[in-house]
Amino acid sequence: DQQVKQNSPSLSVQEGRISILNCDYTNSMFDYFLWYKKYPAEGPTFLISISSIKDKNEDGRFTVFLNKSAKHLSLHIVPSQPGDSAVYFCAASGVDNYGQNFVFGPGTRLSVLP
Amino acid sequence: DAGVIQSPRHEVTEMGQEVTLRCKPISGHDYLFWYRQTMMRGLELLIYFNNNVPIDDSGMPEDRFSAKMPNASFSTLKIQPSEPRDSAVYFCASSLSGVGQETQYFGPGTRLLVL
Repeated sequence: DQQVKQNSPSLSVQEGRISILNCDYTNSMFDYFLWYKKYPAEGPTFLISISSIKDKNEDGRFTVFLNKSAKHLSLHIVPSQPGDSAVYFCAASGVDNYGQNFVFGPGTRLSVLP
Repeated sequence: DAGVIQSPRHEVTEMGQEVTLRCKPISGHDYLFWYRQTMMRGLELLIYFNNNVPIDDSGMPEDRFSAKMPNASFSTLKIQPSEPRDSAVYFCASSLSGVGQETQYFGPGTRLLVL
């Protein structure tokens, strides 16, 4: 069973509009969440993160929102640019009964159309 | 720093052959991670090391997979014997300290095709 889910395999957005990428998790022990971006033929690169003590973190055009009660987080990109076209991975970490737990979601492919 | 270095970038082999993937982490990073990316399962953590010691290998799919880190600047992931279902992109990553809250820096990956 996937502990971190990204239910939209792909998303297309017009340049200049908002992109919203969603992520859901099942393990309530997760207390830190990260977003990574991946271009073709490259490794993922860190984008933005959020601790469970916050519900929002902003970095330029990128904002991550966390709803702990719903076990849901989202990444907002405003305004979207063609260079944002990539695969976005949500990741979650925490310590549970088995020790440190770190899990990536399956990714969402974002296409920003010019 | 050149970042995380992986070799080879591409590997094509036949079923039953041994495959060895190599990784050089960023100097000074205490943690090293091996991941596998497939269309079906996304990015899976296979194993990670702290100060050259394997900490969690629960993600290693089978005994055919093994990983070593003989020193702070080198790690290998070996598949023996390889099977077509092992075809995937394998990433190595390193972080300064800790798991999860520390940013992980990924290498470019090794694309493995087992025929």
